[in-house]
Amino acid sequence: GENVEQHPSTLSVQEGDSAVIKCTYSDSASNYFPWYKQELGKRPQLIIDIRSNVGEKKDQRIAVTLNKTAKHFSLHITETQPEDSAVYFCAAPLYSGGGADGLTFGKGTHLIIQP
Amino acid sequence: DAEITQSPRHKITETGRQVTLACHQTWNHNNMFWYRQDLGHGLRLIHYSYGVHDTNKGEVSDGYSVSRSNTEDLPLTLESAASSQTSVYFCASVGTLGDIQYFGAGTRLSVL
Repeated sequence: GENVEQHPSTLSVQEGDSAVIKCTYSDSASNYFPWYKQELGKRPQLIIDIRSNVGEKKDQRIAVTLNKTAKHFSLHITETQPEDSAVYFCAAPLYSGGGADGLTFGKGTHLIIQP
Repeated sequence: DAEITQSPRHKITETGRQVTLACHQTWNHNNMFWYRQDLGHGLRLIHYSYGVHDTNKGEVSDGYSVSRSNTEDLPLTLESAASSQTSVYFCASVGTLGDIQYFGAGTRLSVL
């Protein structure tokens, strides 16, 4: 099955600065890469996803980039705000390449926004 | 509104007891999943189902079982609870035409 590595495990940035979280994957057949945000004691919630037919996707202050050749994808958050403080997880399909099957997750990045 | 609900939200049990965690979704999704979340491991897939009477093992299925008798429910059973199964358990579902997995609120299980 797929294997996902996520870095860094903790990221502290000043409010207003940008944050970047990186993930690598192993299976070149994977074609769906979601990012989840999890606040303390809450459920993971999808914030953005990307499919392998595009290289970048943006949604307001959040963007995801995908490099299929290098098999890595990254989450970019610009103009960080206190409410961005949370744990962020990247994921990829565990078995079949698509997103309708089970996912395998990175170990998470604790993003801390310093006032 | 359609949703996915888990019960109980918190459970304390003893080693060796059988425990069942409930997951119910009202989206009529075919694909349902159970994950466990532990510090330092992210979320790991336990079992999944593509529809009624279909069940499949995930990454960490030992000691767990699931059954799917209808579209809405996928209960997770710990046949003989062990301390290593202390964790937070999340249920998720996704429609057959999409990729996005929606998670329930989770069940925090402590095995003493």
